[in-house]
Amino acid sequence: GNSVTQMEGPVTLSEEAFLTINCTYTATGYPSLFWYVQYPGEGLQLLLKATKADDKGSNKGFEATYRKETTSFHLEKGSVQVSDSAVYFCALKDGSGNTGKLIFGQGTTLQVKP
Amino acid sequence: GAGVSQSPSNKVTEKGKDVELRCDPISGHTALYWYRQSLGQGLEFLIYFQGNSAPDKSGLPSDRFSAERTGGSVSTLTIQRTQQEDSAVYLCASSLRGGDSSYEQYFGPGTRLTVT
Repeated sequence: GNSVTQMEGPVTLSEEAFLTINCTYTATGYPSLFWYVQYPGEGLQLLLKATKADDKGSNKGFEATYRKETTSFHLEKGSVQVSDSAVYFCALKDGSGNTGKLIFGQGTTLQVKP
Repeated sequence: GAGVSQSPSNKVTEKGKDVELRCDPISGHTALYWYRQSLGQGLEFLIYFQGNSAPDKSGLPSDRFSAERTGGSVSTLTIQRTQQEDSAVYLCASSLRGGDSSYEQYFGPGTRLTVT
C-alpha cells in the first residue's frame, strides 16, 4: 500500500541555519503531496502542497519540489527562525478507495535555538 | 470564519468506559475525516464521510469504534469499552469535497483522550 517515510528527528538548528527535512513516498500513480505543520499547542495546518511531478510548493519561506524520479518531496528553508519550531508532517493523498484520505509520515520535530 | 471545532479538548476516562468525541466541521464542507495521532502509530486514518453517502470505515481499528454524522454536519466518534491503547489525540478534518478532489483538508485542534 501507499506509505510515506520521513527522516527521524528531532532536528536542532541555530537560527538562520538551512533546513532540510527528507520525505520519500511509495504510491501507485502520482498522488498529491503535502507538508503539514503542527505548532506547539495548535492543530495541524497545511504548509504547502504539490499536485503533480516537478511542481514546487512554497509558503512562508519553505519550499518542496515533487520529484517523481526519486519519489521524494523534501522540505527546505534557507534561514529558519525560532518561530519555525514545530512538528512537520509529510503526507500524500491516497488515490485508492476514493476517500481522499491522507497518509502521513511519522513527523519530524524541529527545534530552532536563538 | 470559524474553523473545525472539536470537543472536549481533553478527556480522561477509566478503562472499560464508553466515550463520545464530537466534531463540528466548517459550514458547507461535505467531506469529514477522523484521524488518530498516537505515539506508537503516528497519524492514521479512521473513517470518512462524504455527504449522505455510506461512510468508509476501513481505518477503524476494532468494532469498539463507531462514528456517525447527523444531517451531513456534526460528527460523533464513539469508543466503547475503552482500552489503554486507545489513548491518543483524535483529530477531525473537513473538506469542501473529498475523494480525488483537490480541496484542502482543514484540521480541528483535536481531543486528547487518556484511558487510565
